Order: sequence, then structure tokens, then C-alpha cells
Amino acid sequence: QQQVKQSPQSLIVQKGGIPIINCAYENTAFDYFPWYQQFPGKGPALLIAIRPDVSEKKEGRFTISFNKSAKQFSLHIMDSQPGDSATYFCAASRIQGAQKLVFGQGTRLTINP
Amino acid sequence: GVTQSPTHLIKTRGQQVTLRCSSQSGHNTVSWYQQALGQGPQFIFQYYREEENGRGNFPPRFSGLQFPNDSSELNVNALELDDSALYLCASSFGGASETQYFGPGTRLLVL
Repeated sequence: QQQVKQSPQSLIVQKGGIPIINCAYENTAFDYFPWYQQFPGKGPALLIAIRPDVSEKKEGRFTISFNKSAKQFSLHIMDSQPGDSATYFCAASRIQGAQKLVFGQGTRLTINP
Repeated sequence: GVTQSPTHLIKTRGQQVTLRCSSQSGHNTVSWYQQALGQGPQFIFQYYREEENGRGNFPPRFSGLQFPNDSSELNVNALELDDSALYLCASSFGGASETQYFGPGTRLLVL
């Protein structure tokens, strides 16, 4: 019940395209859903996060769509650039208590010029 | 930001290791994660105001400390080959803060 399932494992998109990464969770107690970006040799960096009281959140070129009834959320990257090539992780946690982030398996995104 | 030391470490099976983390200024909560190659990070434990505030599915040979200056240590005893991973420290403010800021990690290789 603690799992977060992420797909696809890898994704190749042409520059300017809109990669979409999907995640599904099981624990209905989760109330915080962040996305992290990780470059090789670096730690994960927070991109954008959403709470379940909204269905969409946009920050710059990054958008999270959230479907509470389906227990799914996704990341869209508008006007993708080669510099967006990285591994993306979705995560989920509860705000209250020890905030234990449960991560998905990651998606290796490649943006071709 | 969050800093970690050392950046890389090689140990042999059965040895003990101590990894260090300095939290972002003003943060009083630190969490440790293990990231195996090609996997997402897995929560090890969290410290808030020098007390363990939650633990993941890791054996007792994984232990930690948080110091009054909000720096932290992760200790692993009796190293096993499967302990080879990137160890990430993340800091945040408050015991129930949303945003965790990650350090660059320590790459541990157990031979």
C-alpha cells in the first residue's frame, strides 16, 4: 500500500515536444505529491508539487495533473529542451508526522535536439 | 544548501561507515535516503530536534544522529554488498514540513 508506480521507465522526445510521465499511488492517506529532477551525479531537486485539493498546478513549463478518484498524477513538460534531459521521480507522502517520501522508480527522459 | 561528505567511499564487507550531512541554514529536520542504481530513493529515517522521528524498512545496523547545529550522521555497521548505493540527505524545516531539499549524496561502494 506504500508503493508509487511510475511509467514509462524511459522516454525520448524531440525538442519542443511534451513529455508526459505518469504515477499511480495506493495509499489514500497521501496528501503531498512532489516531482523531483535528478541529473547524473547530483541529488534530486524539487521541481513542482501538488496537494490533492487541486486538479492541476502549473509552474513555468512544468504542469502537474492530479486525479484523486483514480489515484493518479502526471507531469507534463511544455516546450521541452535538451537541458530537460534528466531522470524524473514522482513521490508521495503524508504531511503530518514524519514526512517519509515514497518515490517512484524514475523515468529517464531524453530530449533530442 | 545541503552538503554531504565524503562524495565517494569504498569499503569492504563487514566494515563500518559514517556519512555526514550539513543541513540547509535554518532547517531542523533531516532525512536520509538510500538510492540504489537505477532506482528511486528509499527512506531510511528522519531526525527532528535530535530525536528519531520515523524509520523505514531498514535493519538496526543503520543508525543515525542529529547534532544541535542540525548536522547529521548516518552510520552503517557490518556492511553488506547490497549496501552499495547513493546515500542522500535531505533537510527541511519543522517536523511536518512539505519541502525536502536534497544534498548531492555520498556514493558508497562495498566490495
